[in-house]
Amino acid sequence: DAGITQSPRHKVTETGTPVTLRCHQTENHRYMYWYRQDPGHGLRLIHYSYGVKDTDKGEVSDGYSVSRSKTEDFLLTLESATSSQTSVYFCAISETGGSSNQPQHFGDGTRLSIL
Amino acid sequence: AQSVTQPDIHITVSEGASLELRCNYSYGATPYLFWYVQSPGQGLQLLLKYFSGDTLVQGIKGFEAEFKRSQSSFNLRKPSVHWSDAAEYFCAVGLNNNDMRFGAGTRLTVKP
Repeated sequence: DAGITQSPRHKVTETGTPVTLRCHQTENHRYMYWYRQDPGHGLRLIHYSYGVKDTDKGEVSDGYSVSRSKTEDFLLTLESATSSQTSVYFCAISETGGSSNQPQHFGDGTRLSIL
Repeated sequence: AQSVTQPDIHITVSEGASLELRCNYSYGATPYLFWYVQSPGQGLQLLLKYFSGDTLVQGIKGFEAEFKRSQSSFNLRKPSVHWSDAAEYFCAVGLNNNDMRFGAGTRLTVKP
């Protein structure tokens, strides 16, 4: 299995508070992704990174920001959490971009509840 | 609109029976196609992928999928289901950028 660690695995917080989720990889893969998973929607891409300090928006980026200061770490921040951001968040990595023959490998997820 | 559709939200099959999970996509060009499986509390695991060539692809755990261009489909099959196959299955499309679009998933229940 790909070496991907997400932290925390579970978090409960209140509306309006900032939240940061961390994804750490040991595979030295260039690409890293953040998805959210909600019932009836499958996984939807929030942001991705194609290198250190290189990031771009995905399908559902509003309300989220990301940072990548090292190859191995990709942080997702909710500046002011809202109840609509209650979800399960997955990090994924790949050697090359999503259209290539390198499919993404996933972490075990972070369950975030915003009350 | 561009989309990935998995028409069946939930399927129940008996152990030992055959399985087919449906996936349709509506992107213009032939995309890169994937099937993933997710066990409860875990991330997604790649079962198989299709990029080009032979339209019948083999994957792990005895799964296979067939790409049918005329039907814009990429259905997942298994001849004999095991109880350990109970999970949620996602079809995904890799677009011509750094994006991957997922279907909503099909939950598989296996009856003893």
